Amino acid sequence: DIQMTQSPSSLSASVGDRVTITCRASQSISRYLNWYQQKPGTAPKLLIYLASSLQSGVPSRFSGSGSGTDFTLTISSLQPEDFATYYCQQTYSAPRTFGGGTKVEIK
Amino acid sequence: QVQLQESGPGLVKPSQTLSLTCTVSGGSISSGGYYWSWIRQHPGKGLEWIGYIYYSGSTYYNPSLKSRVTISVDTSKNQFSLKLSSVTAADTAVYYCAREEQQQNWFDPWGQGTLVTVSS
Repeated sequence: DIQMTQSPSSLSASVGDRVTITCRASQSISRYLNWYQQKPGTAPKLLIYLASSLQSGVPSRFSGSGSGTDFTLTISSLQPEDFATYYCQQTYSAPRTFGGGTKVEIK
Repeated sequence: QVQLQESGPGLVKPSQTLSLTCTVSGGSISSGGYYWSWIRQHPGKGLEWIGYIYYSGSTYYNPSLKSRVTISVDTSKNQFSLKLSSVTAADTAVYYCAREEQQQNWFDPWGQGTLVTVSS
């Protein structure tokens, strides 16, 4: 199985801050990397697919980059509704695997 | 737009079989182009992919659960189902169904999730 490692596991930030979350794969996954946002009590929501493609309806302050083994999710200016847990997921091979999550909290 | 909804018992006894169904609305499972997946999330933990089925019936299961998992599809009802046998307390989780696009491999939409507790 491909292991996905996210960092940090949690962070505190203020509204307006630029936030970067990283995800590392245990082997090359090309660009088969998705990012999801999950708020308490709700299902994950797709933000970014194929490493850098923005899902329809997702604000442009979210962006993704990377290929191979190293990927980043950036929120350019954190908004109150962005406080949530973020997960990366590889779909290069089965079984699909997720990172452990990054919880973004209010400073 | 396509929507998914999980249904099934919220409480299962140890050693029994967990059974859940995902009903798809707003689109047809038979149209192809998508895998239909199950994912679970243990309380307060991360996400674990269980497996998927294609409308033709072909499946792929997570090796960590393969010996206990069966995913099936009923195209006439536009539903797919999960069975997990010999459950223990470690199978207590929120279970989600989701659609995976076959070429770009994104997961969207997801069902709202259903909590299944394994307890006597």
